[in-house]
Amino acid sequence: AQSVTQLGSHVSVSEGALVLLRCNYSSSVPPYLFWYVQYPNQGLQLLLKYTTGATLVKGINGFEAEFKKSETSFHLTKPSAHMSDAAEYFCAVTTNSGYALNFGKGTSLLVTP
Amino acid sequence: SAVISQKPSRDICQRGTSLTIQCQVDSQVTMMFWYRQQPGQSLTLIATANQGSEATYESGFVIDKFPISRPNLTFSTLTVSNMSPEDSSIYLCSVGMGGGEKLFFGSGTQLSVL
Repeated sequence: AQSVTQLGSHVSVSEGALVLLRCNYSSSVPPYLFWYVQYPNQGLQLLLKYTTGATLVKGINGFEAEFKKSETSFHLTKPSAHMSDAAEYFCAVTTNSGYALNFGKGTSLLVTP
Repeated sequence: SAVISQKPSRDICQRGTSLTIQCQVDSQVTMMFWYRQQPGQSLTLIATANQGSEATYESGFVIDKFPISRPNLTFSTLTVSNMSPEDSSIYLCSVGMGGGEKLFFGSGTQLSVL
């Protein structure tokens, strides 16, 4: 079975600062990894995903994540935080043999002026 | 890609009643799933809706409480039975296409039980 662990249920950054949201995975087979964002009172929006190939994945809104097999990590970063980035972020994992996602508990990102 | 229509988008229900949520996809899909997101929580998989056979439920979810139908490759329903306030959540339909990398979510049904 596969699972993800998000380190830090709340992260606070200043506007313009680096955003780093941590996600570690556990999987016995090559994982497919996802980051989703959920703005208040809205549905899930896919930020980016890693399946195969290039380990550095670029997503929407300036976010990117790097798949590091040696560290079993898939951390989400953004060089410069914007106030509009304040939201809940979920890391999730599945595999090529299945489509059901296992979600992390989520990280709430707060951006301060 | 897949366009998922989920109905209703929200509902307020009385304790002890049941609500059926519909999920319609604009193309045939192999895999359909139902998730629950309780207030302030992450998403939890309820079950996999299997076409032509009984749904596969995750630990902690049972068919009597969450009966699921999947009559064809484009449609599924989830019923929340004998509701209590603890069932107040967002329920989401998800579909998978062409391998685990193609996953799509419906906009969700926000359920409040009084």
